[in-house]
Amino acid sequence: QVQLVQSGAEVKKPGASVKVSCKASGYTFISYYMHWVRQAPGQGLEWMGIINPSGGSTTYAQRFQGRVTMTRDTSTSTVYMELSSLRSEDTAVYYCARDVQSAYFFAYWGQGTLVTVSS
Amino acid sequence: EIVLTQSPGTLSLSPGERAALSCRASQSVTSSYLAWYQQKPGQAPRLLIYGASIRATGIPDRFSGSGSGTDFTLTISRLEPEDFAVYYCQRYGTSLALTFGGGTKVEIK
Repeated sequence: QVQLVQSGAEVKKPGASVKVSCKASGYTFISYYMHWVRQAPGQGLEWMGIINPSGGSTTYAQRFQGRVTMTRDTSTSTVYMELSSLRSEDTAVYYCARDVQSAYFFAYWGQGTLVTVSS
Repeated sequence: EIVLTQSPGTLSLSPGERAALSCRASQSVTSSYLAWYQQKPGQAPRLLIYGASIRATGIPDRFSGSGSGTDFTLTISRLEPEDFAVYYCQRYGTSLALTFGGGTKVEIK
């Protein structure tokens, strides 16, 4: 069965960077795009970007351009999301979510990683 | 960017009642590329509906989606206790400006 297992919670200071991992199993890793979606406390869902695990190409939401980097390691079937220049507004649960046949909706989600930005 | 507006913000209903959740788009949604998700506290979202009306694998038939263009509806025919949650709509498709609605909370009356 498809599983996406994310790294644990992080606490960071403003201005720092955070790198969240998402290890995939149960399917052919390079065959499906992976997305990152975040959710601030008590708020809705916000799409951050997409990575093609096959070639590593990425597309980021405009509001995160310049601050987010998504990468992958095909040897471990893991994707990473790094967000830099953190501010308090970046406090959120970050989810990886697997695409459905390049259709850009999400049938499989990781369990979420809480990133807290606080001085 | 297409903006999705969900209404109402909160729906207070009793188990067994029918729920109708609205998702309105600021522009026409191509080919009914509209999905619905359910999210319970502390959990990741769960895909319910895609293509505006196609139930995802394992989703009970009390959940149904309808609509096209700019107006979409998620209907829960008879609310079960486990259906009280927050529901989000999402526009998808060929453009990568993916957007979600603000959510509708279905709470127990």
